[in-house]
Amino acid sequence: GAGVSQSPSNKVTEKGKDVELRCDPISGHTALYWYRQSLGQGLEFLIYFQGNSAPDKSGLPSDRFSAERTGGSVSTLTIQRTQQEDSAVYLCASSSRQGAGANVLTFGAGSRLTVL
Amino acid sequence: DAKTTQPTSMDCAEGRAANLPCNHSTISGNEYVYWYRQIHSQGPQYIIHGLKNNETNEMASLIITEDRKSSTLILPHATLRDTAVYYCIVRVAGTGANSKLTFGKGITLSVRP
Repeated sequence: GAGVSQSPSNKVTEKGKDVELRCDPISGHTALYWYRQSLGQGLEFLIYFQGNSAPDKSGLPSDRFSAERTGGSVSTLTIQRTQQEDSAVYLCASSSRQGAGANVLTFGAGSRLTVL
Repeated sequence: DAKTTQPTSMDCAEGRAANLPCNHSTISGNEYVYWYRQIHSQGPQYIIHGLKNNETNEMASLIITEDRKSSTLILPHATLRDTAVYYCIVRVAGTGANSKLTFGKGITLSVRP
């Protein structure tokens, strides 16, 4: 597609439930990032995928968080047993691996997660 | 990645130029300067990047000092819609960029009517 697509745009769930957030990156982009942003806070890096390399999971806050990227394209971020502190906007971004362009990220509109 | 330092906030009048400074005194020769912005309730948006020459696109101009230790992002005619948090990031291109890209606190620009 023309841009990075994320779904759902809004998700309200109850504490303890599992949620899945989806990201469809720009076609041909080999790098994919997940960030989250809590209300009034900065961008927090979660995980980074680059081609067939092992993902950089150093930003995942706990083992309740996991992400996968199938076929080098679509990515799913899964949060198990959600807690209220997981409430945030989850942002996905992608970039190409071409020189300086590797750092030109295109972001999706985000998925707003509210845990009651 | 080289560390960047930005003021916390600044404001400017609508229609005037907004000059956003960034210090990156430890920048190395192969690191680029990138600027992003985040308008309230939206995802970050790439603006511009440069290595050592000044750059201009439809959104902004990037002025990099000769010693590359600082840069300025210029929005030539700021509008209310330019109110946002602006992030200055220094990164290596190519294979050196195969790692996570992190955002600092940025500078909050407020454009006043």
